[in-house]
Amino acid sequence: EAGVAQSPRYKIIEKRQSVAFWCNPISGHATLYWYQQILGQGPKLLIQFQNNGVVDDSQLPKDRFSAERLKGVDSTLKIQPAKLEDSAVYLCASSAGPLIRGGELFFGEGSRLTVL
Amino acid sequence: QQQVKQSPQSLIVQKGGISIINCAYENTAFDYFPWYQQFPGKGPALLIAIRPDVSEKKEGRFTISFNKSAKQFSLHIMDSQPGDSATYFCAASIRNQGGKLIFGQGTELSVKP
Repeated sequence: EAGVAQSPRYKIIEKRQSVAFWCNPISGHATLYWYQQILGQGPKLLIQFQNNGVVDDSQLPKDRFSAERLKGVDSTLKIQPAKLEDSAVYLCASSAGPLIRGGELFFGEGSRLTVL
Repeated sequence: QQQVKQSPQSLIVQKGGISIINCAYENTAFDYFPWYQQFPGKGPALLIAIRPDVSEKKEGRFTISFNKSAKQFSLHIMDSQPGDSATYFCAASIRNQGGKLIFGQGTELSVKP
């Protein structure tokens, strides 16, 4: 079974530029998450989708970050304009459903962003 | 209230020794406590998980101990091996918020041969 696919793996941009990350979850997984992992810290949830609807985006900096999950399958996370503090690994994860009573998140390998 | 505090930040253990990582939380609404293991360049992967109605769960060399009254839980790795060298994250999920996972800060474990 294929895992969570993410691209690109690495991206270097100048501050104020824009960047987009793509994620394809495990086939059949209805719930998709984007996490931000800053070096030396634990992952922080940015946004959670259930099918193509947003469940939680309370920690998404909406003035610069946007995400969509058209057709309830793959998803794109965009940052525009980027700031130095956005340098991080952006992890996409999926699960069969909401983890209301437990369950497993399956993570991709992440997209490492460096903002200069 | 939504934080999960993890310690130590880093840990060095000799091969065959016991690795112990601790986590503490404040929010009593948490009802699911997983541990994730992350190797360099990879995403985190679920290692073991526990619910608060159980005080201990063991899977092979990995054991979670849970103290509900103290709001603490810990991961014990018995007979630690160099292949266990990774970063470990504790986490907790919020019952009425779609299972949103709150992660601890991580512990970088190094097992010396």
